[in-house]
Amino acid sequence: DSGVTQTPKHLITATGQRVTLRCSPRSGDLSVYWYQQSLDQGLQFLIQYYNGEERAKGNILERFSAQQFPDLHSELNLSSLELGDSALYFCASSGRLVTWSTGELFFGEGSRLTVL
Amino acid sequence: KNQVEQSPQSLIILEGKNCTLQCNYTVSPFSNLRWYKQDTGRGPVSLTIMTFSENTKSNGRYTATLDADTKQSSLHITASQLSDSASYICVVSAGDKVIFGPGTSLSVIP
Repeated sequence: DSGVTQTPKHLITATGQRVTLRCSPRSGDLSVYWYQQSLDQGLQFLIQYYNGEERAKGNILERFSAQQFPDLHSELNLSSLELGDSALYFCASSGRLVTWSTGELFFGEGSRLTVL
Repeated sequence: KNQVEQSPQSLIILEGKNCTLQCNYTVSPFSNLRWYKQDTGRGPVSLTIMTFSENTKSNGRYTATLDADTKQSSLHITASQLSDSASYICVVSAGDKVIFGPGTSLSVIP
């Protein structure tokens, strides 16, 4: 158990809908990262937050947004869903800021989104 | 451009055999290199971390090597077990960036 909790584990929805994925980082970790993994693809970095502030952005679509709350949990909002958004969405946390050079990313078990 | 490449893309080996996975990177400035293991449908788990000054690091049956001059790393798995079947991902840190390789899918068969 990595200590990172993601909900829901599975989600099935229709095209055009909006969903929210939730992540609780490990106790004490200030950084939260979101990744997307499509079928048989590698992990694609979406966005990183540190202590409530956005720190880095990757290949995140404009239809997607995220935020980190004062209690450090984070939410990833996906709107106007398309079939191609079906994927595993992982949240990871680390205890260090962007100088995570010796830090480790601890991953949650992921939220599997299926868009029909 | 910061890039991490892995080979082979996939590999099938018999239980008990050894195998070596490769990682080549063009990342600057190099901070460290990690190997992660990702079981199907699960989150990746770190196996080992290599910093610039380290050549070899072991974690049980897993041994990672790093050649910072040629920018290559390898992950050697000894006496493979069925539970080693997973995707192995090479992840390189470059300053404040984290670059993931595409992974090598390993299947260990009886």
